[in-house]
Amino acid sequence: DVKVTQSSRYLVKRTGEKVFLECVQDMDHENMFWYRQDPGLGLRLIYFSYDVKMKEKGDIPEGYSVSREKKERFSLILESASTNQTSMYLCASSSFEDLLSGANVLTFGAGSRLTVL
Amino acid sequence: KQEVTQIPAALSVPEGENLVLNCSFTDSAIYNLQWFRQDPGKGLTSLLLIQSSQREQTSGRLNASLDKSSGRSTLYIAASQPGDSATYLCGVWGAQKLVFGQGTRLTINP
Repeated sequence: DVKVTQSSRYLVKRTGEKVFLECVQDMDHENMFWYRQDPGLGLRLIYFSYDVKMKEKGDIPEGYSVSREKKERFSLILESASTNQTSMYLCASSSFEDLLSGANVLTFGAGSRLTVL
Repeated sequence: KQEVTQIPAALSVPEGENLVLNCSFTDSAIYNLQWFRQDPGKGLTSLLLIQSSQREQTSGRLNASLDKSSGRSTLYIAASQPGDSATYLCGVWGAQKLVFGQGTRLTINP
C-alpha cells in the first residue's frame, strides 16, 4: 500500500516564525498535493507538484511556498506564520499513470495540525 | 471553476438503516469522482473511485453512483453500523486536481 507520511502531527508556532511541513511518499508517485482543511470551508488546495522541481498554485497559495527537490518529498513552507494559518494540513500523492488512465486515486497522509499563536 | 456541494452537512440515523449521501458538482467535464471517509483528527481514507465512463462502483456495503449529465453522485450505505460514523467527503477530479465538497458528518446511533 502507498504510504504518505507527514512528519509532524501537531505543531505550535508563534506569529512570524518560519514553518516547514514535510511530506514523504514511498510509492514513487509523480503527483503530490498540499491541502488545508478548516471547519465550514472543507479542503482547499494550496499547491501541487507533478514532478521534481515543478510546482503549481492551487486555490489558496497566498502566504505559502513549496519545495520539491526529490520525488518522494514535498515540503510546505510558511515564510512568516500568521494566526489565520492555524489549520489542519493534509498532504496527498498520486501517480501520473493513474491520472492518464483516469483511475487516479489520491492517497492522503494523517495530517498535521498547526496552531499559530 | 468546479464547485462541489454535499447535502446534508450532518446526518444522524439509527443502526441498521440504509442511507444515502449526496454530492453535486457544477462542471460535468470530470475525469472521475472519489469518495473518502475521514475520522476525527485523522487524514482521509479512499472508499470508492468512479471513473467518468462508469455509472457505479461497489465495495462491500458501499455503493457509489455517478450521473455526469446531471452533475450528481450518491454514496449508498447499506445496513449502517456505529463504526460507519465519520465524515464522508466527495472529491471531483478535473484537470490534475481534486476539488472537494465540505463533507457530510454521519452519526450512527446504536
